[in-house]
Amino acid sequence: KAGVTQTPRYLIKTRGQQVTLSCSPISGHRSVSWYQQTPGQGLQFLFEYFSETQRNKGNFPGRFSGRQFSNSRSEMNVSTLELGDSALYLCASSLDGTGHYEQYFGPGTRLTVT
Amino acid sequence: AQSVTQLGSHVSVSEGALVLLRCNYSSSVPPYLFWYVQYPNQGLQLLLKYTTGATLVKGINGFEAEFKKSETSFHLTKPSAHMSDAAEYFCAVNPGGYQKVTFGTGTKLQVIP
Repeated sequence: KAGVTQTPRYLIKTRGQQVTLSCSPISGHRSVSWYQQTPGQGLQFLFEYFSETQRNKGNFPGRFSGRQFSNSRSEMNVSTLELGDSALYLCASSLDGTGHYEQYFGPGTRLTVT
Repeated sequence: AQSVTQLGSHVSVSEGALVLLRCNYSSSVPPYLFWYVQYPNQGLQLLLKYTTGATLVKGINGFEAEFKKSETSFHLTKPSAHMSDAAEYFCAVNPGGYQKVTFGTGTKLQVIP
């Protein structure tokens, strides 16, 4: 079974631009979560989608948004990029997001904002 | 709201020595508990999980963890460290239902030859 895939793996953007990251979950998984990982803050929860609905949201500004499609693939968008948005963005999928089932992580997208 | 505390952001052990990584959580209900490992430039990989049942959980690569409800702890151990164990380890808690997973800040394990 194919794992979680994320595209692109690396991205360099300029302040003020916007970016879209993509995540394809494991087949059959309906829950997709996004995390921002930085050396100083660790893993910070962005949001979780289940069956195309945002079910949970972390404490990030409205510049961070996401969506999920009917095939469970998910995208996250960051508008008006700031230097502090430089991070590793991780996507994780699970069967239903209840906690009984573990999350499977993708390799991440390394975003650098200059 | 739940929280996870990992004592020690960096831990160093000699090859062959015991590995002990500490994790304490706060949760109003018995949670689901997880340990993940992250190697450089990779995503997180599940080591083991506790959901219900036996409190001593065995995972991959010789790791195990014990859920102690009275101490609200879920420490990760391995009897003998190997060089390949050098990585960052994350403890995570999910209180159940559809609530979000909370991760600890991570512990970087260094294995000294």
